[in-house]
Amino acid sequence: DTGVSQDPRHKITKRGQNVTFRCDPISEHNRLYWYRQTLGQGPEFLTYFQNEAQLEKSRLLSDRFSAERPKGSFSTLEIQRTEQGDSAMYLCASSPDGLGGNIQYFGAGTRLSVL
Amino acid sequence: AQSVTQLGSHVSVSEGALVLLRCNYSSSVPPYLFWYVQYPNQGLQLLLKYTSAATLVKGINGFEAEFKKSETSFHLTKPSAHMRDAAEYFCAGRSQGGSEKLVFGKGTKLTVNP
Repeated sequence: DTGVSQDPRHKITKRGQNVTFRCDPISEHNRLYWYRQTLGQGPEFLTYFQNEAQLEKSRLLSDRFSAERPKGSFSTLEIQRTEQGDSAMYLCASSPDGLGGNIQYFGAGTRLSVL
Repeated sequence: AQSVTQLGSHVSVSEGALVLLRCNYSSSVPPYLFWYVQYPNQGLQLLLKYTSAATLVKGINGFEAEFKKSETSFHLTKPSAHMRDAAEYFCAGRSQGGSEKLVFGKGTKLTVNP
């Protein structure tokens, strides 16, 4: 399977703990995106990388959130001092370079539950 | 700013009936538009996309959507529903020449009754 891979699929943590998620994009894709999806809502954009450069960040990405893509391949999303409001599905997507109609391919997501 | 509105959070149809899921966008410039489907505990899968090449777009699994600039709409249809079409459907848009992000609607959950 050469799709977008996310790990772990599920994460349960206690409030105040730090968590880190990993995303492996489709190998030839230079663009990588993170979204957050809460119950009953559509995905909301968090951040976007072009290779290793983080080019766009949403206001949703508070200072407790940090994303990296150090070698332009896989990416990590870290949440520090988790809060119950961080409970959500975190989705990663990747796309090739190209015009705006290029398709974003999504992984299965990491479901975070903060107790 | 780009926004996408899906009318109806839940739609229920009988197997074999027409499926119509509504999506309206808000943009001064026709954006790129997409329909994605999400099955339980899975990621989003692309059904179809509009990129100004043709107003009637055909996608996978028998779905199609028509871009109507005058109505700022991009409704998703399928002539005959199957049980396997039961899922949540998301309309999304991306501005031309602007942000890379997709802006999603809140989703419509489709139920197909036998």
